[in-house]
Amino acid sequence: AQSVAQPEDQVNVAEGNPLTVKCTYSVSGNPYLFWYVQYPNRGLQFLLKYITGDNLVKGSYGFEAEFNKSQTSFHLKKPSALVSDSALYFCAVLGYNFNKFYFGSGTKLNVKP
Amino acid sequence: NAGVTQTPKFQVLKTGQSMTLQCAQDMNHEYMSWYRQDPGMGLRLIHYSVGAGITDQGEVPNGYNVSRSTTEDFPLRLLSAAPSQTSVYFCASSEFTSGDNEQFFGPGTRLTVL
Repeated sequence: AQSVAQPEDQVNVAEGNPLTVKCTYSVSGNPYLFWYVQYPNRGLQFLLKYITGDNLVKGSYGFEAEFNKSQTSFHLKKPSALVSDSALYFCAVLGYNFNKFYFGSGTKLNVKP
Repeated sequence: NAGVTQTPKFQVLKTGQSMTLQCAQDMNHEYMSWYRQDPGMGLRLIHYSVGAGITDQGEVPNGYNVSRSTTEDFPLRLLSAAPSQTSVYFCASSEFTSGDNEQFFGPGTRLTVL
C-alpha cells in the first residue's frame, strides 16, 4: 500500500531560523513524492516534487526537500523561515498506477517573529 | 485562466438531502479528482477521472457519485447527505498523471450536514 506519514502535527520556529517539516513514505516501487502548502481558507498549492535524480530538490518560495531512500524520508526544509511561511504543509505520494495521490495528515508550521 | 473553480463555497444540508458540488477547469487537463479534508486526516481521495467518460473510485467513495461528460467539468454528487459527510471538499486537476505533474486545486467547498 502507498502511504505517507507526517509525524508532527505542529512545528514552531522563530523567524530567521532554519525549519524542517518531516515526512516518511511507504510505497511499492520508486516513489513519486510531493509537497503542498495550504494557507488559511485556500486550496493547496504545489511546492516541489521528487521523481528521480538529485536527492535535494528545490522548489517554490525558497523551500527544498531531501529525499533519503534508506530512511524512506522526504523532509521539507528552508534555511531561513519567514513569518509568511506559516501555513499547513502536506506531503503526498503518487500511487504505483499513477492515478491516485495519497496525502499525509498535514503539519501546521508556525513561524514567530 | 481561471484555473480550477468550485461552487458553492459554502453549503448547509439536512440529513438525507442530495446535492451536487460543481468543479470546472479551463486548463484542458485530462486528470481531475475530488478530495475531502478533515482535521487530522489530511486529504482523502473520493473519486478521480483520467479523461472524459472515465472515472474511478478513490479511498472513500461511498455516498458519492461522479461523472465526466466533458474535459472541463467534474461534478460530485452526494446522494443522501449524512453528518459524516461534513467536510471541506477540494477539486483538483493536472495535465496528465505520468507521475511528474503537479495538481492544481480549487478553493474548496465547505459542507455542513445537520
